[in-house]
Amino acid sequence: DGGITQSPKYLFRKEGQNVTLSCEQNLNHDAMYWYRQDPGQGLRLIYYSQIVNDFQKGDIAEGYSVSREKKESFPLTVTSAQKNPTAFYLCASSTGLLGEQYFGPGTRLTVT
Amino acid sequence: AQKVTQAQTEISVVEKEDVTLDCVYETRDTTYYLFWYKQPPSGELVFLIRRNSFDEQNEISGRYSWNFQKSTSSFNFTITASQVVDSAVYFCALSAYTGRRALTFGSGTRLQVQP
Repeated sequence: DGGITQSPKYLFRKEGQNVTLSCEQNLNHDAMYWYRQDPGQGLRLIYYSQIVNDFQKGDIAEGYSVSREKKESFPLTVTSAQKNPTAFYLCASSTGLLGEQYFGPGTRLTVT
Repeated sequence: AQKVTQAQTEISVVEKEDVTLDCVYETRDTTYYLFWYKQPPSGELVFLIRRNSFDEQNEISGRYSWNFQKSTSSFNFTITASQVVDSAVYFCALSAYTGRRALTFGSGTRLQVQP
């Protein structure tokens, strides 16, 4: 089955630790995205990548980093510099042609 | 800059009622895409529809229909004969037609359908 997987579903970390969220897709999509969702709010763009080995900052990139070494994978690292990292993180991908993005199940990160 | 406004934070209806979710957007682009996504309690966003800015035809898919009006920058979503399974948060979103294709989301409307 084609789709987007994110792991783990729930993640707990201590303040000051970096943490990496996984995102893998087997849809053969060129573009991949990371969004953050806070309670009662819409999604905000963290980073996006339209092609392998290239990525761009989104609207709230501070405190995050990404890599895109393979078409299928777009991991997100939440660094200790991110002031308020507790949130729901959603990864998405698209063909880049028709616009609609398909989302993974999300990772709920809690930092204490 | 792009902006999407969903003024209705929460709507509660009784099963079988019709309900309309409002979406108003702002963009300087002349061509763009509009979307609706559903987010059930599980959290995963489910794609419902994409509309190109140059296609103002309304669309119907089963109990769902969408009314796109470029003149008022609105893209409203109607569920006819609502069901309990329609309970979710619904997001309207906007993206450019070229270049940065990332979605700009509204804040969402939580729909609760009571049995």
